[in-house]
Amino acid sequence: AQKITQTQPGMFVQEKEAVTLDCTYDTSDPSYGLFWYKQPSSGEMIFLIYQGSYDQQNATEGRYSLNFQKARKSANLVISASQLGDSAMYFCAIIQGAQKLVFGQGTRLTINP
Amino acid sequence: DVKVTQSSRYLVKRTGEKVFLECVQDMDHENMFWYRQDPGLGLRLIYFSYDVKMKEKGDIPEGYSVSREKKERFSLILESASTNQTSMYLCASSLRGLGYEQYFGPGTRLTVT
Repeated sequence: AQKITQTQPGMFVQEKEAVTLDCTYDTSDPSYGLFWYKQPSSGEMIFLIYQGSYDQQNATEGRYSLNFQKARKSANLVISASQLGDSAMYFCAIIQGAQKLVFGQGTRLTINP
Repeated sequence: DVKVTQSSRYLVKRTGEKVFLECVQDMDHENMFWYRQDPGLGLRLIYFSYDVKMKEKGDIPEGYSVSREKKERFSLILESASTNQTSMYLCASSLRGLGYEQYFGPGTRLTVT
């Protein structure tokens, strides 16, 4: 069965700094996808970025990029030039053929002014 | 704009009551999902449905059932609510396929007393 591990329960970063949120995964299926979601204090889950296992390049979406290292089974989220509004819970998730998402425990990111 | 709505933001029920949580999506998505979210555990899949009248158990189906009579509506049923079902419940929908993100509703915070 697939599994996601996020080892950082909480992170504190100064505004405008870059931040990397760690995510490692375990799967035996060669075809899979990795998602990152943001959950602000209001509770809604916001999709940030997606990486497919066969994608040749790392995914990027604005200030978000995914550092995908397939051999190490890691898919770290990088947020450049952090902003106060980036304070939230961040979840990494993996999807496979059955189209079920399996989520990690999440990382609470706090941006300090 | 993509939208997933849930019938209640907050719900308080008594132990033993039958509880219905409703979810509606307006995107003509084939897949619909019910998750529960608890601190430190991330999101865990309860049930999902990939078509009308079709359902599959997720990771924690015990104590829950679901119904999908129409494509846009997916209901979660707690047959006899218990205090350990106090949680945040999130509904999501997606198109069929690995690369499609799931769109989430705002969540229902259920308290069972």
